[in-house]
Amino acid sequence: DAGVTQSPTHLIKTRGQHVTLRCSPISGHKSVSWYQQVLGQGPQFIFQYYEKEERGRGNFPDRFSARQFPNYSSELNVNALLLGDSALYLCASSLRAGGVDTQYFGPGTRLTVL
Amino acid sequence: QQQVKQSPQSLIVQKGGISIINCAYENTAFDYFPWYQQFPGKGPALLIAIRPDVSEKKEGRFTISFNKSAKQFSLHIMDSQPGDSATYFCASDFSGSARQLTFGSGTQLTVLP
Repeated sequence: DAGVTQSPTHLIKTRGQHVTLRCSPISGHKSVSWYQQVLGQGPQFIFQYYEKEERGRGNFPDRFSARQFPNYSSELNVNALLLGDSALYLCASSLRAGGVDTQYFGPGTRLTVL
Repeated sequence: QQQVKQSPQSLIVQKGGISIINCAYENTAFDYFPWYQQFPGKGPALLIAIRPDVSEKKEGRFTISFNKSAKQFSLHIMDSQPGDSATYFCASDFSGSARQLTFGSGTQLTVLP
């Protein structure tokens, strides 16, 4: 079975630009979460979506937004990129919104902002 | 701010030795404590997890010890192998209606052959 897939693998942008990252969850998983992992640090929670509705939002500015589609895939959008947005962006999927279902992480998208 | 503090930042162990990584959390509402393993270029993968109703959980060479009163938990890797060399993250979460893992800062483990 395919795991969580993310695209693109790597991305280079300049300050002020906009970026869209994509995530496809494991088949049957309805919950998708996004995390930002700055080099040398642990992942930080950005959003959780379940059944196309936002279930949680971390401490990130409004430049960050996301959505989930009817097929449960998801997009993370970041506007007005800053140098500090350079990070590995991870997507995780799970069966349900809550409980203790295992969250499965994708390989991430490495974003570099110049 | 809900924090999870992890130590040490890096750890070097000889093959066959025991690796011990410690974490402390602040929010007593956390009720799910997973450990993740991350290899370079990969996303984190769940290694083992514990709920606060037990003090220890063992899966193969990996053991979580949990001290609810001290708000601390630790990962023990017995008979450490070079293939265990990776970055390990502890995390905390609520088992409610939404998920929001709070991760520690990570421990880079190197197991020498």
